[in-house]
Amino acid sequence: ETGVTQTPRHLVMGMTNKKSLKCEQHLGHNAMYWYKQSAKKPLELMFVYSLEERVENNSVPSRFSPECPNSSHLFLHLHTLQPEDSALYLCASSLSVTQETQYFGPGTRLLVL
Amino acid sequence: GESVGLHLPTLSVQEGDNSIINCAYSNSASDYFIWYKQESGKGPQFIIDIRSNMDKRQGQRVTVLLNKTVKHLSLQIAATQPGDSAVYFCAENAGGTSYGKLTFGQGTILTVHP
Repeated sequence: ETGVTQTPRHLVMGMTNKKSLKCEQHLGHNAMYWYKQSAKKPLELMFVYSLEERVENNSVPSRFSPECPNSSHLFLHLHTLQPEDSALYLCASSLSVTQETQYFGPGTRLLVL
Repeated sequence: GESVGLHLPTLSVQEGDNSIINCAYSNSASDYFIWYKQESGKGPQFIIDIRSNMDKRQGQRVTVLLNKTVKHLSLQIAATQPGDSAVYFCAENAGGTSYGKLTFGQGTILTVHP
């Protein structure tokens, strides 16, 4: 459970705010992911990073900006979000992008007012 | 597009019973499948996985069955306990250049009554 940590766990922001979500993995993995989980919808893959390089951008609006400074840390910078962006944002990691078993963090519950 | 879906959105069982959660997938190229458990307020937790060259795989109190003929996946939980109450997701990976892209189903809510 503590292999992948996320902060903050809860976040409330206005549409004009700028905030960042942080993810850290302590598993020695080389791939990291951002997912969005909305009510009554399957998990949606947003971004995939392999060795700090972005290898997948799943048609995510530019108001979401990922950053991966090293293989252990992943950020999601948020600006001018919309109320429909309210969701649980989950970070995951895997040994590599070809090793499919992904381990998830607890998520950040985001509410956009 | 390809998708992973679940037959039953909710499942209620009595403590001690066996539970079976089903999942249908449509991508015949999928070669890896995984089950996750998500408790309230937590992220998905890995339970068990299986590759397409296997029909069955067992873990501690859990068994995953794969029927490639009908593209069906199931998770069996033996002697279900109240702590098993959660949402269960199946996910598939089409392999190849799909860069660790897991496609998730919508989830089944399992409720275990004492």
